[in-house]
Amino acid sequence: SQQGEEDPQALSIQEGENATMNCSYKTSINNLQWYRQNSGRGLVHLILIRSNEREKHSGRLRVTLDTSKKSSSLLITASRAADTASYFCATLGFSGNTGKLIFGQGTTLQVKP
Amino acid sequence: SQTIHQWPATLVQPVGSPLSLECTVEGTSNPNLYWYRQAAGRGLQLLFYSVGIGQISSEVPQNLSASRPQDRQFILSSKKLLLSDSGFYLCASGAGVNSPLHFGNGTRLTVT
Repeated sequence: SQQGEEDPQALSIQEGENATMNCSYKTSINNLQWYRQNSGRGLVHLILIRSNEREKHSGRLRVTLDTSKKSSSLLITASRAADTASYFCATLGFSGNTGKLIFGQGTTLQVKP
Repeated sequence: SQTIHQWPATLVQPVGSPLSLECTVEGTSNPNLYWYRQAAGRGLQLLFYSVGIGQISSEVPQNLSASRPQDRQFILSSKKLLLSDSGFYLCASGAGVNSPLHFGNGTRLTVT
């Protein structure tokens, strides 16, 4: 079953604008991760945030985590046409060392030049 | 860093034919390995995972099976494909808790 649900399903912005994607989940998590997928390709890891962290940054990416609301957001600042891709959140529960990630349905981001 | 090799990139198979997709991992040892399937425009569904040679866990009942004959080799198989087996199959490798997954570039399977 899917754990994370992204919102919106699709987002279209102009180059230079900021893009915000949200993820909600249902059960307690060990960590939450964000991935990017270019069309027809595999996923690339962006950021991992642990359940005891509230915010992380990586370049133009900012991720927040609110465990009380069971939600996370990914902010891409100063977007570029090359940021056009699908973005997925994935949650890791407490299941030993299996490292099983449960992915959401994704947000498709289009950045217009 | 890890590199995940998947082949073939695309595959068209008739209903009822067998399937074998192979995934090999470079740059790490004793990884956790995963097979995910992605339907068009959808998220990833975890099919199988393995924490060691010969150790396979299935997440959903289905027409597929997986094997791990070597530490860094993960194989997805079917004896008889169904139309519903069509999709984008992704192999991933990870080191466990608090480690990201590394993905291959996937195999797009079309069952006709």
